[in-house]
Amino acid sequence: DAGVIQSPRHEVTEMGQEVTLRCKPISGHDYLFWYRQTMMRGLELLIYFNNNVPIDDSGMPEDRFSAKMPNASFSTLKIQPSEPRDSAVYFCASSYIEGTEAFFGQGTRLTVV
Amino acid sequence: SQQGEEDPQALSIQEGENATMNCSYKTSINNLQWYRQNSGRGLVHLILIRSNEREKHSGRLRVTLDTSKKSSSLLITASRAADTASYFCATAGTYKYIFGTGTRLKVLA
Repeated sequence: DAGVIQSPRHEVTEMGQEVTLRCKPISGHDYLFWYRQTMMRGLELLIYFNNNVPIDDSGMPEDRFSAKMPNASFSTLKIQPSEPRDSAVYFCASSYIEGTEAFFGQGTRLTVV
Repeated sequence: SQQGEEDPQALSIQEGENATMNCSYKTSINNLQWYRQNSGRGLVHLILIRSNEREKHSGRLRVTLDTSKKSSSLLITASRAADTASYFCATAGTYKYIFGTGTRLKVLA
């Protein structure tokens, strides 16, 4: 398996624009997580899914953020409209069994200017 | 909110020396995991220790867990320049993995 695949690797966008980040988890993994990493706040859990169903989205910062998992092999994180304070590295991770090793993608570095 | 906090925030040692990082957390856990992150890359799982275990080894890594103190430590023995990275502890409760603030380790050749 190629691991967790995220796209794009880098995204530069203007304030107010819509941004969509994509993730393909490892096949067979039932759990998918979206994290955001900044120098100030570290790694923050935004939302996680179990069997494509959102379980906990309490980490989503505000209504501008939304995440979907239409099927077991694809998830998106959308920011609309984007703001400069959204600039961060966004990671997707997946795991097979609850509480076991999480596999991370390489991340998407988002810059909102 | 952050569950774990690593200590120290940064550590610089000479190659061959041992590196010890500590992690404190706040609530009950099923297990605790340590991850490594190289600059600009994703996190890589290193080792998992269950709540009913006190110590675990994997190669040059040694992890301890004290649930009464809600703390864990990661020891890297005979460090190498390639060990230069940030190290995070992650606590796993129900479903979630909550990461600490990380320790930046620099190993000087």
